[in-house]
Amino acid sequence: DIQMTQSPSSMSASLGDRVTITCQASQDIGNNLIWFQQKPGKSPRPMIYYATNLANGVPSRFSGSRSGSDYSLTISSLESEDMADYHCLQYKQYPPTFGAGTKLELK
Amino acid sequence: QVQLKESGPGLVQPSQTLSLTCTVSGFSLTSYNVHWVRQPPGKGLEWMGRMRYNGDTSYNSALKSRLSISRDTSKNQVFLKMNSLQTDDTGTYYCTRDRLGITTFDYWGQGVMVTVSS
Repeated sequence: DIQMTQSPSSMSASLGDRVTITCQASQDIGNNLIWFQQKPGKSPRPMIYYATNLANGVPSRFSGSRSGSDYSLTISSLESEDMADYHCLQYKQYPPTFGAGTKLELK
Repeated sequence: QVQLKESGPGLVQPSQTLSLTCTVSGFSLTSYNVHWVRQPPGKGLEWMGRMRYNGDTSYNSALKSRLSISRDTSKNQVFLKMNSLQTDDTGTYYCTRDRLGITTFDYWGQGVMVTVSS
């Protein structure tokens, strides 16, 4: 199975900060990666498709990028509504595998 | 509009079998794959398995010996059955969908919380 190593596991940041979360794939997954946001008691919400494409309705402060086997989700200027858990998912190869998640909290 | 909704018992005794239903609307089970994903409390997401549009199934190898996914297209329902439940099977169970080349994991159900306890 492909391992997705997500970091950090948790972080605290201030409003207006630039925040970056990263997933590293153990094998080539191309751009077959999704970033999800998940708020307490809610289902995962897709934020970024195909590593870099913003999902419908997602604010433009969110972006995705790739450098080799490293995939990043960046929030350019943190807002209070962005406090949530974030998960990456690779679907290049079965089984689909998730990163362990990142808890983003307000400092 | 597209909807998925999980249903099932909230409490299951250890060693018993979990049965969940995912009822979908707004799309056809013969065009989309439906996946089951679970999440233990406070932990990450785990892909469990899928029902393909053509009726084939795929399972997470870690769960394969205990897991079965089936469907009733006439009722727009996908079923999950998992036996020999243990306390570490406690968590929220979600269904979600994808369609090759079209969309992936775009819509999710609200999830159903399952507690394994005597």
